[in-house]
Amino acid sequence: GEDVEQSLFLSVREGDSSVINCTYTDSSSTYLYWYKQEPGAGLQLLTYIFSNMDMKQDQRLTVLLNKKDKHLSLRIADTQTGDSAIYFCAPSDAGGTSYGKLTFGQGTILTVHP
Amino acid sequence: GAGVSQSPSNKVTEKGKDVELRCDPISGHTALYWYRQSLGQGLEFLIYFQGNSAPDKSGLPSDRFSAERTGGSVSTLTIQRTQQEDSAVYLCASGTSGSSGEQFFGPGTRLTVL
Repeated sequence: GEDVEQSLFLSVREGDSSVINCTYTDSSSTYLYWYKQEPGAGLQLLTYIFSNMDMKQDQRLTVLLNKKDKHLSLRIADTQTGDSAIYFCAPSDAGGTSYGKLTFGQGTILTVHP
Repeated sequence: GAGVSQSPSNKVTEKGKDVELRCDPISGHTALYWYRQSLGQGLEFLIYFQGNSAPDKSGLPSDRFSAERTGGSVSTLTIQRTQQEDSAVYLCASGTSGSSGEQFFGPGTRLTVL
């Protein structure tokens, strides 16, 4: 099965950029998602990238995909205190044989200091 | 529009009792997923429903767990003879399979087994 690894903690100052990294093992992953979870809240879909893309930009968010190395990153520009949350990387075989079930990394706790 | 809703938001039960957790997906979404989130195991896939196809039950941890989806809409996750290790947040997501397969999550049901 798929294994997904993320670093557990990231601490940045307000206004700096944050980069959250993720590695995965299943090269058949077709879509790779980033979810955000704030304390006591559910999972919020932030963005995703299709496996034939290298980069996707969505306002302050930039997703980079290195398919050869099975490495995914999420960059948050001008990080704000409201970005403090847990961020989950979740590859999926959407459109493939496993019907898009998500395999989650353990999550990266982002702390933004004023 | 309305998102995914789950009930109850919190459930406390005694070991050995049965519990039922409910999920109302986003109207029109054909795919419905159950996941659970616990401190020890992170976020794990449990079961997936897509239209009239047989559900993918590959993530259910034991035969005490079962789920139904009636009329292609509401789903109920049932845990029989609950154990303390079943304590977790149970998350439901709905979406459209194939295409980009985004999944939209409900707020979860926090289950505590005493």
